[in-house]
Order: sequence, then structure tokens, then C-alpha cells
Amino acid sequence: GAVVSQHPSRVICKSGTSVKIECRSLDFQATTMFWYRQFPKQSLMLMATSNEGSKATYEQGVEKDKFLINHASLTLSTLTVTSAHPEDSSFYICSVIWGARDEQFFGPGTRLTVL
Amino acid sequence: RKEVEQDPGPFNVPEGATVAFNCTYSNSASQSFFWYRQDCRKEPKLLMSVYSSGNEDGRFTAQLNRASQYISLLIRDSKLSDSATYLCVVSPDQTGANNLFFGTGTRLTVIP
Repeated sequence: GAVVSQHPSRVICKSGTSVKIECRSLDFQATTMFWYRQFPKQSLMLMATSNEGSKATYEQGVEKDKFLINHASLTLSTLTVTSAHPEDSSFYICSVIWGARDEQFFGPGTRLTVL
Repeated sequence: RKEVEQDPGPFNVPEGATVAFNCTYSNSASQSFFWYRQDCRKEPKLLMSVYSSGNEDGRFTAQLNRASQYISLLIRDSKLSDSATYLCVVSPDQTGANNLFFGTGTRLTVIP
């Protein structure tokens, strides 16, 4: 069964609006969640590591004021793309660490299109 | 230079064929290695971890050559359902729980 869910699966918005994406761990507590972005025909790139109860750790080149991450509970992390622009259109995927071998499992992703 | 490099393909093979994908990584300190499978417009799913001694899971065989910083995936007796993009993934961590570096993937299409 699924380990992690994301909502929404698809969102289309106007330039300048903010979009919130939710990532939930299913039936277990995740103190750490990861947020990735994938542009067409490119590799997944880690944006940030979300830590429950503390600030997220952002990768180099990712603007923390533009991509707000909140990990307020052990089962939910949210990514808010603030003042979205067309160049933010991408596939956003979260992941969690789960299982006896500490493997990363990915959510189904959110496809964002900014008009 | 990219952390992980793969031949993007596409590889178009008939059902039943054997196909091999290769991948090279730039960080010699890498500790964990994986192959993920990604279907079109879906999330990546772990196919198998890659161990130094090489490992096999049914029709899939993975090999690691640390000296050459090279990873391979062999698929035998290809099925239509194998059609997907195969991602080579490397991590500097022992468990691969953090810091995953993804290749851009190799697209495979299995033809009836």
C-alpha cells in the first residue's frame, strides 16, 4: 500500500498567486520529509528537507522565502509556493524514509502549472 | 559535471529481449546505490538497491563497479509492463536515507 500521499495531484493557478501542497505520511510518523522538484526531461532535484518542529533545510539555490515549508505535525508537511510564476511550473514530489532498510518512498506528486 | 549520468535512450526493444542500462557517478565517496522506476507522470518507485557484490531480483540484475564508478541494470525477458523510465540514484550516506542524487533516467519501451 501507499506510504505517503500528496494533495492536490494537479493545480493550475494564475501568476502571482500562492499554492499550498500537502504531504502526509500514512499510518506512521515521519520526523523528516523531503521535497523534490522535477522539470520535464530533467532529474529530480532535492529542494529542501522538512524537519518536524524545526526549520527546513534548503538546498543551494532554493529560495526559502519563496518555497515555504511547514512541518507542524509528525504526519504532515506542507510546501507553499508563494507568488508563483510560470517558471515555477513543475512536478513537485515529497518523500519519506520508511521501512526496515530506511528507504525513501515518494508521494504521487503534484503537477503545478502557473499561467 | 552532473552527479549521476545516464544514457537517456530511448531504448525500444521487443518483448522477451534482454536490455542493459548503464550509469556513472562522479562522487567517489558515494555509499548507496539504487535503481528506481518512474512511469510517465508518476512518482519514482524503488526497483532495487545495488550492492557491491551485485544482486539479482527475478529478471533484474544490478551490478556496481566502485573502481570505475559505474552501475548497471540488466533486464531479462522484457515484458510490456517493464516500459518505464529507469532512474539511477546515488547517495553519499550508508543507508541512502538522505541526500539522494538522481540521474535523468533512461527511457525503455518494450514493443509487442
